[in-house]
Amino acid sequence: GAGVSQSPRYKVAKRGQDVALRCDPISGHVSLFWYQQALGQGPEFLTYFQNEAQLDKSGLPSDRFFAERPEGSVSTLKIQRTQQEDSAVYLCASSSGQGAGGAFFGQGTRLTVV
Amino acid sequence: GIQVEQSPPDLILQEGANSTLRCNFSDSVNNLQWFHQNPWGQLINLFYIPSGTKQNGRLSATTVATERYSLLYISSSQTTDSGVYFCALTRAYKYIFGTGTRLKVLA
Repeated sequence: GAGVSQSPRYKVAKRGQDVALRCDPISGHVSLFWYQQALGQGPEFLTYFQNEAQLDKSGLPSDRFFAERPEGSVSTLKIQRTQQEDSAVYLCASSSGQGAGGAFFGQGTRLTVV
Repeated sequence: GIQVEQSPPDLILQEGANSTLRCNFSDSVNNLQWFHQNPWGQLINLFYIPSGTKQNGRLSATTVATERYSLLYISSSQTTDSGVYFCALTRAYKYIFGTGTRLKVLA
């Protein structure tokens, strides 16, 4: 596609529910990133993939968060047993190189946990 | 850790006015970028500017790496300029975002 596509755009989950957020990067982009943006703040790094390899997951806030990119293209961020503090916008980005420079961001998924 | 602070936090302008947004950072910079997050949440690259000055239409940016700051200039502002402006450093593959400046341009 022309840009990074994320789905769903909005998700309301009941506390304790599992959710899965999808990211379709720009075709051919090697690097894929997930960021979490709390209300009124800048995005914060969650995890980084180079092709199918998850090279850094140091930003994932807890073991309830899990990300995968099994074929080196589409990625899924899964959150188990959601809690209210998980409410945020989850942004995906991709880039053609191995670094973050020049990355393109999707519109994000706004997750609200009630 | 690296600190990236932006000022002012909020800015309201009348259409046609000019403005300067500032980004201060606590560490040396290899890569600094400015982003605009529009009201629909899309983050859009504005400038890649680790040093020097660049211009793109009504926008221009200057980074003085030795003094650890960057400035984004918006001239003749339009309502479509509204949103949040972020500067971000990169460390390898990570962006470290600033606190953001929320801009509202009134018609």
